[in-house]
Amino acid sequence: GQNIDQPTEMTATEGAIVQINCTYQTSGFNGLFWYQQHAGEAPTFLSYNVLDGLEEKGRFSSFLSRSKGYSYLLLKELQMKDSASYLCAVRDRRAAGNKLTFGGGTRVLVKP
Amino acid sequence: NAGVTQTPKFQVLKTGQSMTLQCAQDMNHEYMSWYRQDPGMGLRLIHYSVGAGITDQGEVPNGYNVSRSTTEDFPLRLLSAAPSQTSVYFCASIADSSYNSPLHFGNGTRLTVT
Repeated sequence: GQNIDQPTEMTATEGAIVQINCTYQTSGFNGLFWYQQHAGEAPTFLSYNVLDGLEEKGRFSSFLSRSKGYSYLLLKELQMKDSASYLCAVRDRRAAGNKLTFGGGTRVLVKP
Repeated sequence: NAGVTQTPKFQVLKTGQSMTLQCAQDMNHEYMSWYRQDPGMGLRLIHYSVGAGITDQGEVPNGYNVSRSTTEDFPLRLLSAAPSQTSVYFCASIADSSYNSPLHFGNGTRLTVT
């Protein structure tokens, strides 16, 4: 099976930087996804990592270390609209049908 | 393209009632799935399908049935609703089996069972 842990909640100030950590345990790692989910809405895809290192997409970056079972999502120049939950999800190559296992999500609150 | 469309958006059921949550996608995606989302527990896979005529169970399949008669549609049936099935249900699809393909989610169905 898989175990995915991420903090429940984080608070940051507009314009600042926040780092959301995700740790996972799986023997068949085949990629890690980050999704953003605003309250009452569907998750939307943010980033994908399968190799070690940093992937940058504008204000958002995602890092992966496979040997440590660790990823983080970095949100820079925070805006009020970034207040949302951020979901870490891991794909297992042994799981049929592209199965993703999700963590419980980290709720980020951006304050003025 | 409308993407992934779920109906209804909200539903209240009494214990023991049955109903079908509808999901349709117009992107010609082969893979479709149903998740439920509960506070603090993340999204959990109920059932999935890798193509028309093929379905399989996820982590939490009990109390739910699915069918996939066409590529476009993947309905989820609650056989006899229970309060434990109060949740937000998301249907999601993937373009292909590529390892880096993200899930495309519908807008969700908020179900309350009293």
